[in-house]
Amino acid sequence: DSGVTQTPKHLITATGQRVTLRCSPRSGDLSVYWYQQSLDQGLQFLIQYYNGEERAKGNILERFSAQQFPDLHSELNLSSLELGDSALYFCASSVVDRSSYNEQFFGPGTRLTVL
Amino acid sequence: AQKVTQAQTEISVVEKEDVTLDCVYETRDTTYYLFWYKQPPSGELVFLIRRNSFDEQNEISGRYSWNFQKSTSSFNFTITASQVVDSAVYFCALRDNAGNMLTFGGGTRLMVKP
Repeated sequence: DSGVTQTPKHLITATGQRVTLRCSPRSGDLSVYWYQQSLDQGLQFLIQYYNGEERAKGNILERFSAQQFPDLHSELNLSSLELGDSALYFCASSVVDRSSYNEQFFGPGTRLTVL
Repeated sequence: AQKVTQAQTEISVVEKEDVTLDCVYETRDTTYYLFWYKQPPSGELVFLIRRNSFDEQNEISGRYSWNFQKSTSSFNFTITASQVVDSAVYFCALRDNAGNMLTFGGGTRLMVKP
């Protein structure tokens, strides 16, 4: 158990809908990262937050947005969903924004299926 | 731009065989960090090891060992005497000194048959 929690575990929805994925980082971790794992794109970085502020952006679609709240939990919002958004979405956390290693610990993931 | 290549998409071995998973990376930075993660059938990503670009010392942890060679930009992972429980997808990842995101390789699916 990494200490990172994600809810829900599974989500099935229809095209055009909007969903929210939730992540709670490990105790003491200030950074939260979101990754998408799909069959065609592999594991891709989406976005990072550090202590409530956006820090880095990867290949995140404009239809997707995220935020980190004062209690450090984070939410990833996916809107106008398309079939191709079906994937496993991971949240990860790390202790500090920049450290020598900054290893990221991953949550169990949320499997999103868009029908 | 950073890139991680895991050329072996799938490896199948019989239990107790040794197996090496290859990882080759590309980066322009002199300071960078390498990681291996395991993704068992249950789906979670489990951190296995980290290494920075200044530490080329190889590491052994039980049946696992890692060989980091800067000269060939490789960070290979060997499992000795493989077991069925080692069956998983293994990912190599790279983080540069400036950024925080991980760049993952495509993964190697290891199947260990009894």
